[in-house]
Amino acid sequence: AQSVTQLGSHVSVSEGALVLLRCNYSSSVPPYLFWYVQYPNQGLQLLLKYTSAATLVKGINGFEAEFKKSETSFHLTKPSAHMSDAAEYFCAVTAMNTGFQKLVFGTGTRLLVSP
Amino acid sequence: DSGVTQTPKHLITATGQRVTLRCSPRSGDLSVYWYQQSLDQGLQFLIQYYNGEERAKGNILERFSAQQFPDLHSELNLSSLELGDSALYFCASSVHRRGLYEQFFGPGTRLTVL
Repeated sequence: AQSVTQLGSHVSVSEGALVLLRCNYSSSVPPYLFWYVQYPNQGLQLLLKYTSAATLVKGINGFEAEFKKSETSFHLTKPSAHMSDAAEYFCAVTAMNTGFQKLVFGTGTRLLVSP
Repeated sequence: DSGVTQTPKHLITATGQRVTLRCSPRSGDLSVYWYQQSLDQGLQFLIQYYNGEERAKGNILERFSAQQFPDLHSELNLSSLELGDSALYFCASSVHRRGLYEQFFGPGTRLTVL
């Protein structure tokens, strides 16, 4: 079975600062990893995904994530935070041994951006 | 706007009651996923349908059931409701049956059980 752990339920940054949201995964087979964002009172939106191609994945809104097998990590970064980045971010995993049928989500990290 | 619609937006009901949540996927999407988001359980996958057939089950209670109709819309039925069923229920759709493809989420139905 797969699982993801998101370190830090809340992360606070200043506008213009680096954003780093941490995600570690557990999977007995090669995983496919995703980052989704949830803005207040909205559904989730895909930011980016890793599907065993390039280990550095670029997504929307200037976000990127790097798959590191040795560290079982898939941390999300953005060089410069904007106020509009304030939202909740979810890391998720799926894998071939479940037929890629279901996504397992982490508990989420709320990003707070201050002026 | 993801193109996925869910009705109703809010639902308030009493314990022991039964409710039906409705989801219309994006045009052309054959897969529908249901998720429950609650403060204590987080975001959990409930069930997936692909082109009318059940494809995968997650942590779905026996009191809950779902179906996907020929026009591809889906309904999630929750019965014998308990206080702990209060949550945000999301529907997502995808063009493919496999979860590795992007899922497009609807705005959710907030269920409150009193």
